[in-house]
Amino acid sequence: AQKVTQAQTEISVVEKEDVTLDCVYETRDTTYYLFWYKQPPSGELVFLIRRNSFDEQNEISGRYSWNFQKSTSSFNFTITASQVVDSAVYFCALQGGGTSYGKLTFGQGTILTVHP
Amino acid sequence: NAGVTQTPKFRILKIGQSMTLQCTQDMNHNYMYWYRQDPGMGLKLIYYSVGAGITDKGEVPNGYNVSRSTTEDFPLRLELAAPSQTSVYFCASTIPRTGTDTQYFGPGTRLTVL
Repeated sequence: AQKVTQAQTEISVVEKEDVTLDCVYETRDTTYYLFWYKQPPSGELVFLIRRNSFDEQNEISGRYSWNFQKSTSSFNFTITASQVVDSAVYFCALQGGGTSYGKLTFGQGTILTVHP
Repeated sequence: NAGVTQTPKFRILKIGQSMTLQCTQDMNHNYMYWYRQDPGMGLKLIYYSVGAGITDKGEVPNGYNVSRSTTEDFPLRLELAAPSQTSVYFCASTIPRTGTDTQYFGPGTRLTVL
């Protein structure tokens, strides 16, 4: 069975602070995919990033960066110099291979509040 | 492309009523999904389809039915609405195994059962 754990239920920061959202996953699949989605107060789900299990290269995209470590089954997400518009619920999700292919397992989400 | 569209956006049902949540995608994706999101929780998979005429259960299928007669449409049917089905429902679609198989989500349907 697949499982995604986001231990941080809520995080509150002041604008311009850096913030890291943690994600730990469990899967028996050797090939799998990890995602981060953002859900702003308007409710839609916005795709942020997708990583393959065979590609541990970390990535930076503007103020966003991701740290994927297979050894610890973690896929953490960092926002640098946070802004009020970053306030949202952030979901980490896992898509397995094999019979689990195509089916996303979501974490419970981390509510990020950025105060001005 | 409109992407993934869902109707209605909001709906209130009485216990025991039935309804169909509509989902349409215009990206020619063969994989489609229905998820529900309960307050303060992540999304859970209800049903999915890998192509027209093929559907399968996800994690929480009880109380729901689906059909997939075309590539574009994947309606979700609630036969006897119960308060436990109060949730936000998201439809998603993707083309798998292309190296870019990210699921694209519709805007959601907020359902309240009273």
